[in-house]
Amino acid sequence: DGGITQSPKYLFRKEGQNVTLSCEQNLNHDAMYWYRQDPGQGLRLIYYSQIVNDFQKGDIAEGYSVSREKKESFPLTVTSAQKNPTAFYLCASTSGRAGTGELFFGEGSRLTVL
Amino acid sequence: DQQVKQNSPSLSVQEGRISILNCDYTNSMFDYFLWYKKYPAEGPTFLISISSIKDKNEDGRFTVFLNKSAKHLSLHIVPSQPGDSAVYFCAASAGGTSYGKLTFGQGTILTVHP
Repeated sequence: DGGITQSPKYLFRKEGQNVTLSCEQNLNHDAMYWYRQDPGQGLRLIYYSQIVNDFQKGDIAEGYSVSREKKESFPLTVTSAQKNPTAFYLCASTSGRAGTGELFFGEGSRLTVL
Repeated sequence: DQQVKQNSPSLSVQEGRISILNCDYTNSMFDYFLWYKKYPAEGPTFLISISSIKDKNEDGRFTVFLNKSAKHLSLHIVPSQPGDSAVYFCAASAGGTSYGKLTFGQGTILTVHP
């Protein structure tokens, strides 16, 4: 079945450690996105990539880094520079047909900093 | 600066009745609007969308209304079912190459009582 797979589902990190969240899609979508959700807030865009080997900062990119070496994969690294990394992270993709914007989301990764 | 707002954090409705979820936006560049449904610890799933050239879009029990002059949209669910209980997010896109770059509201928790 086509879809988006995020791993791990739950992750614990000590302060000062970097951690990488995996996102893989087999939908043949060009564009991929990382969003963050905090309690009582909507989803906020961290980074996005509309094509392989290219990515752009979203609204809250500070303390995060990404790469897009393959169409199927868009990993997110939460660095020690991210001041408040505990959150629910969602990866999404879209076919990129202009005028639609419908995103397909993965199941999310919950990161907790101890 | 909250460009998309859902002012009701929660809504409680009896099964079989109508659920009306509201959303306001401030950015005049938004031209495509979407509603997503989200269960706890899962990724959001797309529900219904509307382009700014329309004022209504219907899909089964779900209807979205757009009032551009008031910068307001609403989602009607008729009849409501207990399985509709979830968090509902409205989202907006400026279209063009901004597809997928969605700005989300804070979400409304809908509870449908049997």
